[in-house]
Amino acid sequence: AQSVAQPEDQVNVAEGNPLTVKCTYSVSGNPYLFWYVQYPNRGLQFLLKYITGDNLVKGSYGFEAEFNKSQTSFHLKKPSALVSDSALYFCAVRDSENRDDKIIFGKGTRLHILP
Amino acid sequence: EAQVTQNPRYLITVTGKKLTVTCSQNMNHEYMSWYRQDPGLGLRQIYYSMNVEVTDKGDVPEGYKVSRKEKRNFPLILESPSPNQTSLYFCASTTSGSLYWSYNEQFFGPGTRLTVL
Repeated sequence: AQSVAQPEDQVNVAEGNPLTVKCTYSVSGNPYLFWYVQYPNRGLQFLLKYITGDNLVKGSYGFEAEFNKSQTSFHLKKPSALVSDSALYFCAVRDSENRDDKIIFGKGTRLHILP
Repeated sequence: EAQVTQNPRYLITVTGKKLTVTCSQNMNHEYMSWYRQDPGLGLRQIYYSMNVEVTDKGDVPEGYKVSRKEKRNFPLILESPSPNQTSLYFCASTTSGSLYWSYNEQFFGPGTRLTVL
């Protein structure tokens, strides 16, 4: 069965510093991996995804994520954090061998960027 | 503007009083889904639909019903709400018009905050 874990409930980063939000997964086949962001009182917005190909994926708002098959990880990164990046971030995974079409979301990581 | 809309955005009700939360998308998406978001539990899928008249259970379907009579609409029905259904609900959609629909990101509505007293 597929699963996804976000080991940190909250991450605090000073503005201008690099940030990392961690995500690990478990699948039977190949993973389709997604990152979403949720701003206060808003729905989730898509940031980026990994399906196949280059392990470094670039997305919206200057975010990127690195797919690491050996470590089964898909950490979200940004070189220089902005206060406006403060939000709730969700990692999600779909298993290529899962025939019931489900996508599993992590529990979310709250990112605080400190001015 | 391409969007997913939900109504109502906020609802306070009492135990046992049937309610419906509507969801509509204007992107001609085949796939639609309902999630609930609870603190410490993240997003959990309630029901999803691959196309008109095709629905299936997600991870937490108990106490909910859905229907998909039209492509654009996917209402969530709580026949007899209970306090443990107090939550933030999101509707989402994506295209599934190809073999590779699993690759596609979902578009989310703004959410419906439901309180059952």
